[in-house]
Amino acid sequence: SQQGEEDPQALSIQEGENATMNCSYKTSINNLQWYRQNSGRGLVHLILIRSNEREKHSGRLRVTLDTSKKSSSLLITASRAADTASYFCATDYGNNRLAFGKGNQVVVIP
Amino acid sequence: EAGVAQSPRYKIIEKRQSVAFWCNPISGHATLYWYQQILGQGPKLLIQFQNNGVVDDSQLPKDRFSAERLKGVDSTLKIQPAKLEDSAVYLCASSPTVEAFFGQGTRLTVV
Repeated sequence: SQQGEEDPQALSIQEGENATMNCSYKTSINNLQWYRQNSGRGLVHLILIRSNEREKHSGRLRVTLDTSKKSSSLLITASRAADTASYFCATDYGNNRLAFGKGNQVVVIP
Repeated sequence: EAGVAQSPRYKIIEKRQSVAFWCNPISGHATLYWYQQILGQGPKLLIQFQNNGVVDDSQLPKDRFSAERLKGVDSTLKIQPAKLEDSAVYLCASSPTVEAFFGQGTRLTVV
């Protein structure tokens, strides 16, 4: 089945720094989504980018999509302690079927 | 708006026992998903419903797992008999179109 794969898998940064995560996938997609998972909370949708889009912004989030390389990146600018979480990319490969990657653990040190 | 409700939150059972999880999606959401998330891994899709029908159950271990969605609303996921490797968090999600809304999950421990 379709699966995204994030790289790197663990990231530790200081508050105020930027965090970048990458995701690759194997087959064609309708869209790619990023989700965040905090300890004690469920998965929360962050941002969606469609297959015909190259870049999208939402607040401190910036996501890019390169369909030729089958890859995406998520940038969190000016990170905060509250950004500490696991981040997952999920690819919609048809009929709203979502396949999740392994996840990036991000720790923001105050 | 109420979120996706799941119960129970935690369950401990012995191997070979059976267990059932319940999910109440957000009202009006046609798509319902069940995911299995093993510690340290990303969620793995078990089954996807669109209203009453199954869209994808290719990764559902059908010899022991079953799921149904009653009248296109609530859903139950059952495991019978459970194995040690079924220990995981079972996540239910619903979606109106493309974005999925997740419940808190049920943490299953099989001993």
